[in-house]
Amino acid sequence: AQSVAQPEDQVNVAEGNPLTVKCTYSVSGNPYLFWYVQYPNRGLQFLLKYITGDNLVKGSYGFEAEFNKSQTSFHLKKPSALVSDSALYFCAVRDDGNAGNMLTFGGGTRLMVKP
Amino acid sequence: EPEVTQTPSHQVTQMGQEVILRCVPISNHLYFYWYRQILGQKVEFLVSFYNNEISEKSEIFDDQFSVERPDGSNFTLKIRSTKLEDSAMYFCASSPEIQETQYFGPGTRLLVL
Repeated sequence: AQSVAQPEDQVNVAEGNPLTVKCTYSVSGNPYLFWYVQYPNRGLQFLLKYITGDNLVKGSYGFEAEFNKSQTSFHLKKPSALVSDSALYFCAVRDDGNAGNMLTFGGGTRLMVKP
Repeated sequence: EPEVTQTPSHQVTQMGQEVILRCVPISNHLYFYWYRQILGQKVEFLVSFYNNEISEKSEIFDDQFSVERPDGSNFTLKIRSTKLEDSAMYFCASSPEIQETQYFGPGTRLLVL
């Protein structure tokens, strides 16, 4: 079985400060990990993914994420937050041991960036 | 940049009625998906579809749900007899290959009264 946990319902950060949105996962095989962002009344926009290779993955809008196998984590980071980054962020995982392509999502973390 | 599109953006229906939600996946993608998000809850997988067949489905995807690719561009989700608890945002997604990123549409908000 595959699962994802996002331990924080909300993260507050001041504009210009670094931000981290946490994600931990559980799979029986190897993980494919994804971050998506959802703006109000919009769909899910792909930010970045980890499949294999470098543990630090860079994505859209200056976001990056670090895959840590020993801690089973895939935290989303940005060095300097913008007010426009305020949105709902979802971490998702797929277990490469599963024949299908079902993504399992975390509960989401609301990021609030204050001016 | 190609996008997944969905129609309608909003749908209100009476309990027991049938609804069809429509999606146009990205044109060169081969895998199609439906997910749903009940208000305030997680995004949940419903079904995946490849080569005109369901390749995987969740426990949520019971006999009242069906999917179809009626032509070369559309991908539909039908709910035969809607229930109050079917009220949710329904997202369509597509990916070029099974291991590739799934790209999501803007969603259809379904309200069952």
